Amino acid sequence: AQKVTQAQTEISVVEKEDVTLDCVYETRDTTYYLFWYKQPPSGELVFLIRRNSFDEQNEISGRYSWNFQKSTSSFNFTITASQVVDSAVYFCALSKGNNQGGKLIFGQGTELSVKP
Amino acid sequence: KAGVTQTPRYLIKTRGQQVTLSCSPISGHRSVSWYQQTPGQGLQFLFEYFSETQRNKGNFPGRFSGRQFSNSRSEMNVSTLELGDSALYLCASSTGLAGASTDTQYFGPGTRLTVL
Repeated sequence: AQKVTQAQTEISVVEKEDVTLDCVYETRDTTYYLFWYKQPPSGELVFLIRRNSFDEQNEISGRYSWNFQKSTSSFNFTITASQVVDSAVYFCALSKGNNQGGKLIFGQGTELSVKP
Repeated sequence: KAGVTQTPRYLIKTRGQQVTLSCSPISGHRSVSWYQQTPGQGLQFLFEYFSETQRNKGNFPGRFSGRQFSNSRSEMNVSTLELGDSALYLCASSTGLAGASTDTQYFGPGTRLTVL
């Protein structure tokens, strides 16, 4: 069965601190996709990144970076120099290898609060 | 491109009633997926429609049903509402094409359903 675990329920940091959100996944598929979404108070899930299981290269996008390690089944997300606007709930998600849209398995989410 | 739109944004119903939610995908997207988000269960996959056919289904009772029209717009119906159906219902659209490198799900703002 597929499963995503985000062990950190809530994280609180002060602006400009770096913060890492953890994501551990379980799957028997050899081909799969991992995602991170951000959910601000408005409720809409905003897509951040998508990785496939064959691409373990880390990725950096501005203040955001992602560390994918198949050996530990982890796909962690780091925000550098956090800002108040980063406050939101962040979800890690997993989908099957065919990736024809369809079923995303979400973690329980990590609520990040960035205080000024 | 316009994003995913959902109507209505808020809905209040009483137990036993039925409700229909609507989702218009991003132009050109043929796959629409529905998710239920509750504080207790998190984000759970309901079903996915592609080219007017249900392609994937989650573990929800038959009271939850959906359909997709030829223009890819989708509706979700919940019959005989229960208190536990109170949730944020999110729909997401994607191209739905196998192997599409850009086949990521993009979410709408959700419909918040309250059952009294």
